Amino acid sequence: KAGVTQTPRYLIKTRGQQVTLSCSPISGHRSVSWYQQTPGQGLQFLFEYFSETQRNKGNFPGRFSGRQFSNSRSEMNVSTLELGDSALYLCASSLTGSSTDTQYFGPGTRLTVL
Amino acid sequence: AQSVTQLGSHVSVSEGALVLLRCNYSSSVPPYLFWYVQYPNQGLQLLLKYTSAATLVKGINGFEAEFKKSETSFHLTKPSAHMSDAAEYFCAVSAPRNTGKLIFGQGTTLQVKP
Repeated sequence: KAGVTQTPRYLIKTRGQQVTLSCSPISGHRSVSWYQQTPGQGLQFLFEYFSETQRNKGNFPGRFSGRQFSNSRSEMNVSTLELGDSALYLCASSLTGSSTDTQYFGPGTRLTVL
Repeated sequence: AQSVTQLGSHVSVSEGALVLLRCNYSSSVPPYLFWYVQYPNQGLQLLLKYTSAATLVKGINGFEAEFKKSETSFHLTKPSAHMSDAAEYFCAVSAPRNTGKLIFGQGTTLQVKP
């Protein structure tokens, strides 16, 4: 099976712009979770989608949003970018998002905000 | 609420020496625990997971971890370090119910000296 794919791998944006990141889960997986990784804060949970519904959300401002399509692919959007949004954004997929499911991670999208 | 603490942000061992990476958790419910490894410019790869079937869990690449409820620990070990083990290691606990959320420790960078 193909793994989790994320596009693009690298992005450079300027403050105030918006950005959309894409994630394609492993075939058959219906849960997609997003994480932000920074040197200072580590890995932080953004949100999780299952069957096109956001089931859980982390402690991030409303500028961070996402959606999931009927084929389980997911996108996340960050509006009005700030310098502090520079990070590695990781998505992970699992069968159902249950506590015992293994989450499989993609390679990430490295976002740099100038 | 769940939390994870990894003792030691940086661990250095010689090639062939024992690897011990420490993880302590806090959870109000029986925990499900994971160890992931991250190589530079890559996503996270699952090493092993504990879901209450057995307290000693064997993973990939010769790693194993032992769940000790009395010590609230889930330390990762490998008898003999290889140069290829140099990477960052993350311990995580999954949030209860179907939330698709992992709570990560701050990570431990493993350096392997020749």
